[in-house]
Amino acid sequence: EVQLVESGGGLVQPGGSLRLSCEASGFDFNPYSMNWVRQAPGKGPEWLAYISGSSNTIYYAGSVRGRFTISRDNAKNSVFLEMYSLRDEDTAVYYCARRTRMIRGVISFYSMDVWGQGTTVTVSS
Amino acid sequence: EVVLTQSPGTLSVSPGERATLSCRASQTVTNNDLAWYQQKRGQAPRLLIYGASSRAAGIPERFSGSGSGTDFTLTISGLESEDFAVYYCQQYGGSLFTFGQGTKLEI
Repeated sequence: EVQLVESGGGLVQPGGSLRLSCEASGFDFNPYSMNWVRQAPGKGPEWLAYISGSSNTIYYAGSVRGRFTISRDNAKNSVFLEMYSLRDEDTAVYYCARRTRMIRGVISFYSMDVWGQGTTVTVSS
Repeated sequence: EVVLTQSPGTLSVSPGERATLSCRASQTVTNNDLAWYQQKRGQAPRLLIYGASSRAAGIPERFSGSGSGTDFTLTISGLESEDFAVYYCQQYGGSLFTFGQGTKLEI
């Protein structure tokens, strides 16, 4: 079964740090680009970070650039999100998601076809 | 950054009816690279449509997507009870993803 399982969420004080992990199983992890996406209570999803299969290419959303770091360990089929200087507004469910590339004719389309169940991060004093 | 605006915020329909959900982009979506997701309470989003109009694997034919440029539509024909959920559109451009704020489909 294709699966992503996140861990590492919890309660943290403002200004604190946290490291999230996401372990993949059921598919060949190495070639796939991975993403972290969060969803605050009652809000739509917010894409946070992207890492290519080889870790050569990394992108961040402006809201977390400089505070969050994405990385991966292909030997462990895992992707990570290190979060620093956490703020109240970082409170959310954090998901890892596999990026998929679908081709129609000569055009590639990108979306996220496999998601974990999410891990909850609460930033509060 | 492309901003996606979904309407309506909430749509009340009955089982068996057709639902039409809208997603409008603040600028042209590159290659019409627009996807739709379904999210039920307590679950992760589930990919329904990619490339504006192609169904993802295992998605029933009653789900269809259309549109181009800045205006996109998700249509669900013959609504079933399991379809009542929140739906999000998402675009990909410049190596970044952005999501809409969602439309809640309720009975």
